[in-house]
Amino acid sequence: QSALTQPASVSGSPGQSITISCTGTSSDVGGYKYVSWYQQHPGKAPKLLIYEVGTRPSGISNRFSGSKSGNTASLTISGLQAEDEADYYCSSYTASSTLGYVFGTGTKVTVL
Amino acid sequence: QVTLKESGPALVKPTQTLTLTCTFSGISLSTNAMRASWVRQPPGKALEWLARIDWNDDKFYSSSLKTRLSVSKDTSKNQVVLTMTNMDPVDTATYYCARHLVNAFDIWGQGTMVTVSS
Repeated sequence: QSALTQPASVSGSPGQSITISCTGTSSDVGGYKYVSWYQQHPGKAPKLLIYEVGTRPSGISNRFSGSKSGNTASLTISGLQAEDEADYYCSSYTASSTLGYVFGTGTKVTVL
Repeated sequence: QVTLKESGPALVKPTQTLTLTCTFSGISLSTNAMRASWVRQPPGKALEWLARIDWNDDKFYSSSLKTRLSVSKDTSKNQVVLTMTNMDPVDTATYYCARHLVNAFDIWGQGTMVTVSS
């Protein structure tokens, strides 16, 4: 279960849109609808933003959206705000050798 | 309101066994389709999934750590317990428990930092 690949950092100005990619394989991201995204501020627990590729839990802003194409999932943050500055992680269900979950390498989002 | 809280030692010695407890409030571990996982995060590094236990006592482990991990639950106390044997300094991390929303983690505990050092 190798980690999913994310860019180390992404930045944008307030009001802009940014997209974070999450690349896996056909055994995880490409094989299932169970891709999720998490936001983590320093010293805090992760917070679920998106599950099942593109579904937002109750209370999550519609500025966050998710999609998937092949083995790559993406998280888009539109109307970037200062409070969006955080680390972001993707995760996927996998059943390649054994059932489990794999996280991405993480992306630091900086609001310029 | 569902909350989770991890507890356990802050410091363990190399080769020792770590035991962590996650206490659920606001929901019963016996609830149909309930799943709970453990996830850890070394300082400055990415999240890593460790183990999952389901309401029916099905258990699943990270393939890279399965020989060292054991997960169990005590429904009378509404607790999930993780044990990890043969601790090493590389296991120094914040350990989180999380409730599942199918195959995502929708509610997380605050995390408990564990340092492995002699």
